[in-house]
Amino acid sequence: QQQVKQSPQSLIVQKGGIPIINCAYENTAFDYFPWYQQFPGKGPALLIAIRPDVSEKKEGRFTISFNKSAKQFSLHIMDSQPGDSATYFCAASRGNYGQNFVFGPGTRLSVLP
Amino acid sequence: ETGVTQSPTHLIKTRGQQVTLRCSSQSGHNTVSWYQQALGQGPQFIFQYYREEENGRGNFPPRFSGLQFPNYSSELNVNALELDDSALYLCASSSDSQETQYFGPGTRLLVL
Repeated sequence: QQQVKQSPQSLIVQKGGIPIINCAYENTAFDYFPWYQQFPGKGPALLIAIRPDVSEKKEGRFTISFNKSAKQFSLHIMDSQPGDSATYFCAASRGNYGQNFVFGPGTRLSVLP
Repeated sequence: ETGVTQSPTHLIKTRGQQVTLRCSSQSGHNTVSWYQQALGQGPQFIFQYYREEENGRGNFPPRFSGLQFPNYSSELNVNALELDDSALYLCASSSDSQETQYFGPGTRLLVL
């Protein structure tokens, strides 16, 4: 119940394409859902996060779509660039102070020039 | 405002040895969480410290232990190292007024 599933494992798109990464969770107590971007040899960096009281959140080229009834959420990257090539992790927590994050296994994205 | 820093960046140890990893939290943050990230996997929660007390622990054996200091910096100690302990160890800091955790660059540990 603590698991967060993520797909696909890897993704290759052309520059300008819109990669979509999907995540699903079981624990309905989760109420905070961040996405992190990680480059090789670096720590994860927060991209965008959402709470389940909204169905969509957009920050720059990154959009999260959230489906509370299906317990699924996804990341869309608009106008993808080669510099977006990285590993992306979804995560979930109960959002209250002190709760640890449960991470998905990651999606390796390659954006071709 | 300084970010989360970790030291050392890389470390090589042999089986059975002990290791200490260090983390300085972001300015204004009083909570530090430690994660283990094996190659090709997502980070796994080890434990969290809030105001010098352990505040939650993941599924890791007792040979993984930690400390938090009055300035909110933290240490992760691993005793009796095993080959499977080879991983990137990440420290994340946060405050009790927000959910977001900010990660450091990690310490890459190799156990031979």
